[in-house]
Amino acid sequence: DGGITQSPKYLFRKEGQNVTLSCEQNLNHDAMYWYRQDPGQGLRLIYYSQIVNDFQKGDIAEGYSVSREKKESFPLTVTSAQKNPTAFYLCASSKSSNQPQHFGDGTRLSIL
Amino acid sequence: AQSVTQLDSHVSVSEGTPVLLRCNYSSSYSPSLFWYVQHPNKGLQLLLKYTSAATLVKGINGFEAEFKKSETSFHLTKPSAHMSDAAEYFCVVRYYGSSNTGKLIFGQGTTLQVKP
Repeated sequence: DGGITQSPKYLFRKEGQNVTLSCEQNLNHDAMYWYRQDPGQGLRLIYYSQIVNDFQKGDIAEGYSVSREKKESFPLTVTSAQKNPTAFYLCASSKSSNQPQHFGDGTRLSIL
Repeated sequence: AQSVTQLDSHVSVSEGTPVLLRCNYSSSYSPSLFWYVQHPNKGLQLLLKYTSAATLVKGINGFEAEFKKSETSFHLTKPSAHMSDAAEYFCVVRYYGSSNTGKLIFGQGTTLQVKP
């Protein structure tokens, strides 16, 4: 089945540590996105990529970094500069920027 | 600037009764509008989308939404609620800027509770 796989499902970060969240899709989609979701709020865009080897900052990119070396993969690194990383992180993809986005099941990040 | 407002943070209905989740949008352009549903600890699933074709849009699981330009609304309805409909619902508008980025703007979400 085609879809988006996020791993791990749960992740814990220590102080001063960088952690990387994985997002893989086998839908042959060109565009990929990372969102952050906090309780009682809608999703906020962290980074997005419309094509391999290219990505842009979203609304809340500070403290995060991404790479897009392969079409299928769009990993997100939460750096130690992100002071409030506890949240639910969702990855999405779409065939192109004007097509509906499909979402993975998310990664819940917590601070130890 | 584009924005979207979900008028109710929480809606409670009895099983078998109609569902109405309200959404208003603000957009300088002809908008693309979506409704997504999220079950606990899961990603978002697309329920339906409006992209300037028919104003009454039918989606999955018996949901539908009507685009009303004069009221800038895109309310989600279902004639008869089922227990499995209990979830978080997001009204979403696509952002149109200087480049077509595909960026989505999300409402705050409405929690639908279905009582037996």
